[in-house]
Amino acid sequence: KAGVTQTPRYLIKTRGQQVTLSCSPISGHRSVSWYQQTPGQGLQFLFEYFSETQRNKGNFPGRFSGRQFSNSRSEMNVSTLELGDSALYLCASSLAFAAYEQYFGPGTRLTVT
Amino acid sequence: QKEVEQNSGPLSVPEGAIASLNCTYSDRVSQSFFWYRQYSGKSPELIMSIYSNGDKEDGRFTAQLNKASQYVSLLIRDSQPSDSATYLCAVNWGTGRRALTFGSGTRLQVQP
Repeated sequence: KAGVTQTPRYLIKTRGQQVTLSCSPISGHRSVSWYQQTPGQGLQFLFEYFSETQRNKGNFPGRFSGRQFSNSRSEMNVSTLELGDSALYLCASSLAFAAYEQYFGPGTRLTVT
Repeated sequence: QKEVEQNSGPLSVPEGAIASLNCTYSDRVSQSFFWYRQYSGKSPELIMSIYSNGDKEDGRFTAQLNKASQYVSLLIRDSQPSDSATYLCAVNWGTGRRALTFGSGTRLQVQP
């Protein structure tokens, strides 16, 4: 079974731009969570989607948004990029909402200059 | 106050030894606990999950959970250099607080 896939793997943007990251969960998984990982803050939860609905949201500004499609694929968007948004963005999938085991994709390394 | 705490390390053990990694958490109602392994430059990989008090063994890995004392640990027997990585503890707080909360991780170095 294929794992979680994320595209693109690497991205360089300039301040003020916006970016869209994509995640395809493991086949049959319906829940997708997004995390930001930085050396200083570690792994921080952004949001979780299940059945095209956001079920939970972390403490990030409104510049960070996401959505989920009917095939469970998910996208996250960051508008008005700041230098501090440089991070590894990780997507994790699980079978269902409140199914606890999450499996991570390879991540998207975003660099904001 | 951090909700999930881990010693950042590095924890250095010789090859073949037992590595013991510890994690404490702040909320008694936590329901499920996970250990992830993350190699440098890679994404976290789920290696163990544990939901009830006691020990759970999977190959060279044993997870131990003590809800009364609010700690969870991971033992790695017969440590290998390939086990050198950062180990992340994650806690699911249960109903109403769905998201996983991760500790900052413990870096393990296994010396050949």
